[in-house]
Amino acid sequence: DGGITQSPKYLFRKEGQNVTLSCEQNLNHDAMYWYRQDPGQGLRLIYYSQIVNDFQKGDIAEGYSVSREKKESFPLTVTSAQKNPTAFYLCASRPSSEGLYNEQFFGPGTRLTVL
Amino acid sequence: RKEVEQDPGPFNVPEGATVAFNCTYSNSASQSFFWYRQDCRKEPKLLMSVYSSGNEDGRFTAQLNRASQYISLLIRDSKLSDSATYLCVVNMNMTTDSWGKLQFGAGTQVVVTP
Repeated sequence: DGGITQSPKYLFRKEGQNVTLSCEQNLNHDAMYWYRQDPGQGLRLIYYSQIVNDFQKGDIAEGYSVSREKKESFPLTVTSAQKNPTAFYLCASRPSSEGLYNEQFFGPGTRLTVL
Repeated sequence: RKEVEQDPGPFNVPEGATVAFNCTYSNSASQSFFWYRQDCRKEPKLLMSVYSSGNEDGRFTAQLNRASQYISLLIRDSKLSDSATYLCVVNMNMTTDSWGKLQFGAGTQVVVTP
């Protein structure tokens, strides 16, 4: 079945540790995105990639890093520089960053908790 | 001011009733609009796109008012399974760089009661 997978579903991290969240899609989509969601707030864009080997900072990129070495993979690293990393992280993909009504598909998310 | 604003609710709706709510957006150049549904602790899923002429999908009707910069969602004959948070999403398509960069509202919670 085609879709987006994220792992792990739940992640616990000690302060000062870097962690990497996995996102894989087999939809052959060009564009991929990382968002974080906090209670009472809308999704906020961390990073996005319109094509392989290229990515741009979103609205809240500080303390995060990404890579896009393969079309199907867009891992997110939460570094120790991120001051408040506890959140629900959502990965998404879209057939192309162009196209006004191209649907954005989401993975099931990863809940990160910093202990 | 937030770029996309929604009434957080909750809207408590008796089963079978109609509920409607709006979302306002700040950027008049916004090009495309969507409603997503998000169940508790799950990922958002597309409910419907909102076209300039307004559109309907079964019990759901979406409207766009560009002059007043808001979109609306109306749910008729509410079902218990309609209980969810509804996210308003706006594509602020200003430049090539912002293609596909969506702005999300914080969501409106709907609770359908028996």
